[in-house]
Amino acid sequence: DTGVSQDPRHKITKRGQNVTFRCDPISEHNRLYWYRQTLGQGPEFLTYFQNEAQLEKSRLLSDRFSAERPKGSFSTLEIQRTEQGDSAMYLCASRGGTGTGGSYEQFFGPGTRLTVL
Amino acid sequence: AQSVTQLDSQVPVFEEAPVELRCNYSSSVSVYLFWYVQYPNQGLQLLLKYLSGSTLVESINGFEAEFNKSQTSFHLRKPSVHISDTAEYFCAVSVSTGFQKLVFGTGTRLLVSP
Repeated sequence: DTGVSQDPRHKITKRGQNVTFRCDPISEHNRLYWYRQTLGQGPEFLTYFQNEAQLEKSRLLSDRFSAERPKGSFSTLEIQRTEQGDSAMYLCASRGGTGTGGSYEQFFGPGTRLTVL
Repeated sequence: AQSVTQLDSQVPVFEEAPVELRCNYSSSVSVYLFWYVQYPNQGLQLLLKYLSGSTLVESINGFEAEFNKSQTSFHLRKPSVHISDTAEYFCAVSVSTGFQKLVFGTGTRLLVSP
């Protein structure tokens, strides 16, 4: 399967703990997005990478959030000092660059569901 | 900034009946339009997209959507639904330039019953 994968699929943590999620995009895709989806809402944009460069961050991404894509391949999203309001589904998506077939489509992973107790 | 409105949070329908899921958007610049479907415990899957050209776009499983610029709408339709179409449907827009983040609506849950 060459789709987008995310790990872990579920994470339960206590308030104040740090958590890290991983996203492995489709191998030839140089663009990677993180979104957050809370119950009853559509996904909301968090951040965007083109290759290893983080080019855009939403104001939703507070100082407790950090994302990396060290070699332009997989990406990690870390949340420090988690709060109950961080409970959500965290979705990763990847997209090919312009000039490749289907380049306007973002392919989504299955998501990581975070529950903060 | 762009925004998407999906007025119907839930649409119940009987199997083999037609259905329309409504989507309206707001943007001051040119946009691309998408419908994504989310089955329980799964990620989002692209159903269909409008980039340019013909305003009527179709998916392989019988859904279609029509881009109406004057009404800023991109409603999703299917003439005859199946039980397996039960899912959450999200309308989304992105600007046609830049990094093209997706802006989603709140979703419409389609419930198909026998």
